[in-house]
Amino acid sequence: EAEVAQSPRYKITEKSQAVAFWCDPISGHATLYWYRQILGQGPELLVQFQDESVVDDSQLPKDRFSAERLKGVDSTLKIQPAELGDSAMYLCASSGTPGSAQYFGPGTRLTVL
Amino acid sequence: GENVEQHPSTLSVQEGDSAVIKCTYSDSASNYFPWYKQELGKRPQLIIDIRSNVGEKKDQRIAVTLNKTAKHFSLHITETQPEDSAVYFCAARIGHNAGNMLTFGGGTRLMVKP
Repeated sequence: EAEVAQSPRYKITEKSQAVAFWCDPISGHATLYWYRQILGQGPELLVQFQDESVVDDSQLPKDRFSAERLKGVDSTLKIQPAELGDSAMYLCASSGTPGSAQYFGPGTRLTVL
Repeated sequence: GENVEQHPSTLSVQEGDSAVIKCTYSDSASNYFPWYKQELGKRPQLIIDIRSNVGEKKDQRIAVTLNKTAKHFSLHITETQPEDSAVYFCAARIGHNAGNMLTFGGGTRLMVKP
């Protein structure tokens, strides 16, 4: 069964450093989502892509976060500079269309020291 | 925007008993309601979903009911087993076009005692 892939699984960094996370959606899925999940809470959407275009980044802290999906397949989420409050699980999800079910990757757990 | 509240935050049941988790949503335009199960350190897994044109959906021991008038939906797990222990998240979405995001509830930690 096809799954969403993410790397790295774990990342420890010091504040003010740059970090990047990678996501490979299920093959053929045009819609890709990045979520942030703080321990003990539900995921919160950061950015949504339809193919290579951003369709919703209203919750993305654009002063330090950026996301791209240049060829409409895999995607990268970057944080620069990282802050202590960015420590969380970063989850990627994909769906065949915006209206269909979303399937999550294993996530990247970020710890900022 | 949409707001989803989930109750209870923790639920402990004896193996074999039933478990019910409830969610309320704020926007009557929401029309898609998935449930995810997340085991410790693992990805959220879609276990069942329901659309607003259906009042109930069942898949083996799991069922979801939707009351559009009251704007709430519930997850029912029957004959619980220890492997059902996990955190369960409900979510709601308005519409199905690009830009319509899922809003998640705060989660319910279910513990099934053998």
